[in-house]
Amino acid sequence: NAGVTQTPKFQVLKTGQSMTLQCAQDMNHNSMYWYRQDPGMGLRLIYYSASEGTTDKGEVPNGYNVSRLNKREFSLRLESAAPSQTSVYFCASSEWRVAQAQYFGPGTRLTVT
Amino acid sequence: GESVGLHLPTLSVQEGDNSIINCAYSNSASDYFIWYKQESGKGPQFIIDIRSNMDKRQGQRVTVLLNKTVKHLSLQIAATQPGDSAVYFCADDLNGNKLVFGAGTILRVKS
Repeated sequence: NAGVTQTPKFQVLKTGQSMTLQCAQDMNHNSMYWYRQDPGMGLRLIYYSASEGTTDKGEVPNGYNVSRLNKREFSLRLESAAPSQTSVYFCASSEWRVAQAQYFGPGTRLTVT
Repeated sequence: GESVGLHLPTLSVQEGDNSIINCAYSNSASDYFIWYKQESGKGPQFIIDIRSNMDKRQGQRVTVLLNKTVKHLSLQIAATQPGDSAVYFCADDLNGNKLVFGAGTILRVKS
């Protein structure tokens, strides 16, 4: 039981390049999330998917898109990377959307130059 | 939780002592609270949670206390060990809509 897995672990992009961060969970959870974490700040929600087939914007969605590919997988896409998107990105999942513990992946450290 | 910007508060404790990490939340409507531990270079790890109809909950070596009157949450770690060194942060469920995370407290355990 791997929990939440993310790929890649590290990535360096040039400004304007695009990439997709992959996330998968094997806990049969319904809800999945993408967060970014910047030094000294709390996790900020980018997008979430309350259940398969739905996605919604979080606190900081600009510059990102998501796809809930199936119940297990939730990807995050940066269409045109900017230096302000340099961050550590975490995927998480929970059984349901509201008032539930979220379980996190190991993170992707992204640098945009 | 609350953000304290770039400089996280630090709690230093001697190995074997008890640790108490505090968190304030702002929304009196929050009804679910959770503590996470994050080690350097890793993802946040669930420690313990509590709902607003309780004021105390115990896990293995950890206790969470909730004081709704002053909107305060604390995490107590008994017999702190070097492996407990990490950033600890709380989160609360804002209006049953999303988790709001604090920036965290650094726990350093001295051997």
